[in-house]
Amino acid sequence: NAGVTQNPKFQVLKTGQSMTLQCAQDMNHNSMYWYRQDPGMGLRLIYYSASEGTTDKGEVPNGYNVSRLNKREFSLRLESAAPSQTSVYFCASRRGGQGSGELFFGEGSRLTVL
Amino acid sequence: AQSVTQLGSHVSVSEGALVLLRCNYSSSVPPYLFWYVQYPNQGLQLLLKYTSAATLVKGINGFEAEFKKSETSFHLTKPSAHMSDAAEYFCAVSERKTSYDKVIFGPGTSLSVIP
Repeated sequence: NAGVTQNPKFQVLKTGQSMTLQCAQDMNHNSMYWYRQDPGMGLRLIYYSASEGTTDKGEVPNGYNVSRLNKREFSLRLESAAPSQTSVYFCASRRGGQGSGELFFGEGSRLTVL
Repeated sequence: AQSVTQLGSHVSVSEGALVLLRCNYSSSVPPYLFWYVQYPNQGLQLLLKYTSAATLVKGINGFEAEFKKSETSFHLTKPSAHMSDAAEYFCAVSERKTSYDKVIFGPGTSLSVIP
């Protein structure tokens, strides 16, 4: 019962370095999401993918890119990390298609950019 | 564009007292609405959701929420707080447009329960 799996769980980067956060779900969900969580800001949507082969910008997409590799996997890439991207990142998925489905979350990835 | 506001970033209640966490949404049509809870150092889990079947929705752990279209609100309540309810609570909204499937969260309310 893996659900949504994120890797890595922790990462420290220097300003300007790049990295990719991996996310995979085994629930055959159509929709996948990347959020960042910062104190007092709640969860802010970075990018989402309503189906394999499609991606859309969320509330805070600048500085990020995503790839929906297949139905299971949705990766988030930071091309040139900045201290403002220090955050906890959550991947989530849901069945999609109707808007009423529950989101299932990964455990989060804590990223620090020095 | 849809948005969610949660009045009160931090709420403290005594054990056994009523819990009331506020959520208001902005959307052109009544959306789907959700409450999620996050315990320390964990991901989020669903408490309850509104999908138009009934305006009063019951969830897990004794929580319930009432959808009020006239007030564009979806406040979360629990009659009697328990120590284990201390957590961060998030209201979320999802449009009914199947082609987008975007889910937007509010800023969250941290609930403290005082013994």
